Amino acid sequence: GQSLEQPSEVTAVEGAIVQINCTYQTSGFYGLSWYQQHDGGAPTFLSYNALDGLEETGRFSSFLSRSDSYGYLLLQELQMKDSASYFCAVRFHSNYQLIWGAGTKLIIKP
Amino acid sequence: ETGVTQSPTHLIKTRGQQVTLRCSSQSGHNTVSWYQQALGQGPQFIFQYYREEENGRGNFPPRFSGLQFPNYSSELNVNALELDDSALYLCASRQDELAGELFFGEGSRLTVL
Repeated sequence: GQSLEQPSEVTAVEGAIVQINCTYQTSGFYGLSWYQQHDGGAPTFLSYNALDGLEETGRFSSFLSRSDSYGYLLLQELQMKDSASYFCAVRFHSNYQLIWGAGTKLIIKP
Repeated sequence: ETGVTQSPTHLIKTRGQQVTLRCSSQSGHNTVSWYQQALGQGPQFIFQYYREEENGRGNFPPRFSGLQFPNYSSELNVNALELDDSALYLCASRQDELAGELFFGEGSRLTVL
């Protein structure tokens, strides 16, 4: 089947760096996306890796390795507002559906 | 602000009833998809519409149906509501079928009693 695994919860300190991993068991997808969702809010797009390698957008970076079936989201200079759930998701060639991980709750302590 | 609006924001229904949820996408976004998100879980893909035709469907029964209109609005209809249908329903639009970024609305929270 098609599935994505990510840690359920990660705790970090304000100002630090945190990496959220995503491993998947699937094939034939367009790319790996990352979304942020605050409690009660809508998911907001963070990054998209269509190709292997690192994509950097400000404090956030995302990485994809198709050969390792693995990706990660890197958040630098953590701020309290970064406390949220983070989801990885892959989209398939066949029917365009986006398969999501269960999400990682990021807790930031002062 | 994503430019995607959904209504209603909250609603309560009873088992067996029918519900229609509405979404207004960004102008120019030809593709809209709907997701169901249960508490503490990731969104589950229901279906996608491209230029008013359904072109992708997840593992949801036929009582989940939809429509997309030429004015970039869309609907999700759910018949014969069940308790497990209680969830946040999210609408997302994209510029075209291959665009990487989805723009989500704030969702409609459905409670089925």
